[in-house]
Amino acid sequence: GENVEQHPSTLSVQEGDSAVIKCTYSDSASNYFPWYKQELGKRPQLIIDIRSNVGEKKDQRIAVTLNKTAKHFSLHITETQPEDSAVYFCAANDYKLSFGAGTTVTVRA
Amino acid sequence: SQTIHQWPATLVQPVGSPLSLECTVEGTSNPNLYWYRQAAGRGLQLLFYSVGIGQISSEVPQNLSASRPQDRQFILSSKKLLLSDSGFYLCAWNFAGGPTGELFFGEGSRLTVL
Repeated sequence: GENVEQHPSTLSVQEGDSAVIKCTYSDSASNYFPWYKQELGKRPQLIIDIRSNVGEKKDQRIAVTLNKTAKHFSLHITETQPEDSAVYFCAANDYKLSFGAGTTVTVRA
Repeated sequence: SQTIHQWPATLVQPVGSPLSLECTVEGTSNPNLYWYRQAAGRGLQLLFYSVGIGQISSEVPQNLSASRPQDRQFILSSKKLLLSDSGFYLCAWNFAGGPTGELFFGEGSRLTVL
């Protein structure tokens, strides 16, 4: 089955700086790579996703890049704001989603 | 539009007691259904998934079980809870068929086993 590794486990950034979270996956058959944001005590919610036929996708301040050859993908958050503080999960699928362990992002005012 | 409901939101149970968490999806037919567990400060562990009524796949051997008695109903059960069963349980669904798409989560059930 799919194995997803996510780094770093915690990330503290100054407001206005960028944040980058990286994930690797093991199954070359995986073709869908979503990112979820989970605020404290809440359910995870999709913030952006990318499919294997695309190398990069951007939505306002967030972007995701995918390198299928190296089997890694990354989340980039620019101009971070306090409301970006949350736990972020990457995931990859073969026939079901497997999640990374999560990254706790703290944006310092 | 589709909605997912999960209950109870919070429960505190003694070791050895039974468990039943229920999840229902509205506004769609034949969804894929999932149960995840999130231990404190940890990631999302897939426990069970179902692609149809009575079809349950288990990802992790444990003392939990799942059932899907109706198309849009998914139940997580245990006959005897362990301390290690404490955690945040999330039901989720996505559309069946085609490329895997967005997973929609319920609001979660926080279980504390004492």
